[in-house]
Formats: sequence, structure tokens, C-alpha cells
Amino acid sequence: EPEVTQTPSHQVTQMGQEVILRCVPISNHLYFYWYRQILGQKVEFLVSFYNNEISEKSEIFDDQFSVERPDGSNFTLKIRSTKLEDSAMYFCASTATGAGELFFGEGSRLTVL
Amino acid sequence: SQQGEEDPQALSIQEGENATMNCSYKTSINNLQWYRQNSGRGLVHLILIRSNEREKHSGRLRVTLDTSKKSSSLLITASRAADTASYFCATETSGSRLTFGEGTQLTVNP
Repeated sequence: EPEVTQTPSHQVTQMGQEVILRCVPISNHLYFYWYRQILGQKVEFLVSFYNNEISEKSEIFDDQFSVERPDGSNFTLKIRSTKLEDSAMYFCASTATGAGELFFGEGSRLTVL
Repeated sequence: SQQGEEDPQALSIQEGENATMNCSYKTSINNLQWYRQNSGRGLVHLILIRSNEREKHSGRLRVTLDTSKKSSSLLITASRAADTASYFCATETSGSRLTFGEGTQLTVNP
């Protein structure tokens, strides 16, 4: 069964460093998303992406964040200068139709020291 | 209350019993979805109910939606130890952005 894959599974970084989280969405999906979950808290929407541009972003997704689809398969989330409060599990998701069920990856755990 | 709040926060039952989780939300929705998350893992979609539907079944899952009360419930029948996980409701309003609730931690004791 096709699945969304994310790398790395866990990354530890120093505050102020740049981090890139990678995702390979399901191959025939066109809509891509990043969500995050701070430990013990609920899952929060960051950004949606379609047709090579951001469709919607939340207030969390400030200038420190960016997304890119550099080729036909990868979808990346970049955090330019990490802060302690960026420590969280980051989930990538995709869907074919832009509505309904989202297919989530297993997540990338980011720890900022 | 926030969009997508579940209760109870935690539920502990014996194998074979039914588990009921509730979710309330505040705004109009296109659909409401339930997801499951095993500890430290990704979210797995369980079931989606559209705003014009009142009840839906999938295997041992039954979900109801009351748009007048802005609430939903997820019933898991004949629970198993493997059902132990966190369960989240998520509402879809405009576009495809999902707003998740706080989740219910379900523990099924063998």
C-alpha cells in the first residue's frame, strides 16, 4: 500500500541552526501538507501546498518557515533559524483531491537544544 | 471551548467492552474525521462523516454527527488491546485544512 515517507525520523539541532525535513508524498497525490505536534499537545496545521504554491498557512508558519517541492517527488519543510519552541513532531500529509482523508507520514521528531 | 475538543481526555476499559469518545466543535464544517495515533507514530485515518450525514459505520467503528449540537461521537465496539491509542477528531472547514482536537487516550486492558 502506498505511503507517505518522511526523513529524518529524528533530528537534534542547536538553536539557530537551519533544518530541512523531507517528505515523499504518495505518488499520485497533488495536495501536500505539514502539521506539527508539540509533545503532549494537539496536532496543528502549518501549511498546505498545491500546484507549486502555498494554498493556506497558519499563524505558526511565519517567515522562519518555508516549503518547497524541489523535484517531482520530494516535499520539504525548512526552518531557517530554529528556536527551542520549534521542538515537535512534524508530520507530512498528502491527498489526491484536496479534501477528505489525509494520508500522514510517521513524522520527523525535531529536538532543538 | 476550542474547535474539536474531545472528551473524555482518557478512557480505560476492559477488552470486549465498548469505548465511546465524544468531540465538540464550534464552526460550520464540511466534514468531520477521526484519526488514530499510536504512541510516537503517525496519524491513521479511521472514518469520515460529511456534514449532511448523521451516522456512519466501518467495521467495529460507528460515528455519529449532530450538526445542530456541533458534536460527534466515535464508538468502538468489542474493543481489543490493540485498540489502545490516542483518538483525535478533526474538522474540515474550508479547503482541506484540518483542525484537530485534543484527543482521547484510550487504554484497553487485556
